Amino acid sequence: GEDVEQSLFLSVREGDSSVINCTYTDSSSTYLYWYKQEPGAGLQLLTYIFSNMDMKQDQRLTVLLNKKDKHLSLRIADTQTGDSAIYFCAEGFSGGYQKVTFGIGTKLQVIP
Amino acid sequence: DTAVSQTPKYLVTQMGNDKSIKCEQNLGHDTMYWYKQDSKKFLKIMFSYNNKELIINETVPNRFSPKSPDKAHLNLHINSLELGDSAVYFCASSTRGLNTEAFFGQGTRLTVV
Repeated sequence: GEDVEQSLFLSVREGDSSVINCTYTDSSSTYLYWYKQEPGAGLQLLTYIFSNMDMKQDQRLTVLLNKKDKHLSLRIADTQTGDSAIYFCAEGFSGGYQKVTFGIGTKLQVIP
Repeated sequence: DTAVSQTPKYLVTQMGNDKSIKCEQNLGHDTMYWYKQDSKKFLKIMFSYNNKELIINETVPNRFSPKSPDKAHLNLHINSLELGDSAVYFCASSTRGLNTEAFFGQGTRLTVV
């Protein structure tokens, strides 16, 4: 079945790297996503990775995918206070339509 | 310009009432969604429409009825509201396909008292 798990909370100091981890159960997922939700706002897609990739880098963001262990991580380099938000891991399934299952979200707190 | 807009932003209503939440997107997308985010921040898809046709209908009570008058609008009507319906409801839209970004509205916080 579809199940995405994340730790609930992460606190880092400004300038340090943040690593948010996620595990999923359904190996048939096609894409894996990271969304960011700022207070009182909708979700914003940060990045996504195709399931046959191991890594994707986009400026300060690095996504690592271990398909064997069904483990996804998001690394944010040089974390800034503006990065404080809830980060959702999500997996999407093939079929043409974007049926996406979200994790519960990890709240990232950046300490100045 | 707002890409995906929902109204109202806040909705407080009594149990048993019927209410609607409206969603409009001006991105030209052909697929729209409703998600429910509960108090623990768990986000779950409820419905998805593609070109006004229902394509995803998760296990949601019959009291929830989506309506898509055209592909730019997807409204959510809820009958006989219950306390457990209190949540933030997010509308989203995308083009067809998994490798596309879904754009989310700012959410409608529904509180049933």
